[in-house]
Amino acid sequence: SQQGEEDPQALSIQEGENATMNCSYKTSINNLQWYRQNSGRGLVHLILIRSNEREKHSGRLRVTLDTSKKSSSLLITASRAADTASYFCATVHYGNNRLAFGKGNQVVVIP
Amino acid sequence: DARVTQTPRHKVTEMGQEVTMRCQPILGHNTVFWYRQTMMQGLELLAYFRNRAPLDDSGMPKDRFSAEMPDATLATLKIQPSEPRDSAVYFCASGPTLRNAGLNTEAFFGQGTRLTVV
Repeated sequence: SQQGEEDPQALSIQEGENATMNCSYKTSINNLQWYRQNSGRGLVHLILIRSNEREKHSGRLRVTLDTSKKSSSLLITASRAADTASYFCATVHYGNNRLAFGKGNQVVVIP
Repeated sequence: DARVTQTPRHKVTEMGQEVTMRCQPILGHNTVFWYRQTMMQGLELLAYFRNRAPLDDSGMPKDRFSAEMPDATLATLKIQPSEPRDSAVYFCASGPTLRNAGLNTEAFFGQGTRLTVV
């Protein structure tokens, strides 16, 4: 399978805490992307990390990529209630345009 | 403001009826994806197009599903005949792609079509 697989599936944290999610994949990638989905809405792109990058930041988001372990992590620092959503990783593999998603992490931030 | 537009937003239909879902990708995006989302299966890639040509539709049940791009501004997903197990949210997404390269930028998603087959 070329899909990303997130772990853990569900996370409940207090506002202000950090949230970390992991994603693993099976075959070599061109890039890996993280998306957020609020209940009943479409997915919104958060951050893209290319296979030759190891870490990327965007605001309170930090993504790491370890191609030797075929894994990525998404860290949300100083979480807010508005961060409550499902988070998905998606992989794009060399030579094709497929954007394949994992099953997602449900994150609940308690005010 | 540029966005992917899907119609209808909601559809309730009886088993056996034909369902057509439409998607208007962002102007200039040459890659279009169709996904189906359910609680059990998550986000499944049904089909995707580049420059209006189908690249892969292996995720679609071929006997009842069909996906087309009649022109660069319209993608359609049809189910005929529909079945209760087709009930799901169907998403369309589009993205720009460099020639002969993979998708190396973000994909933009529509708000989805929530399909209920009774």
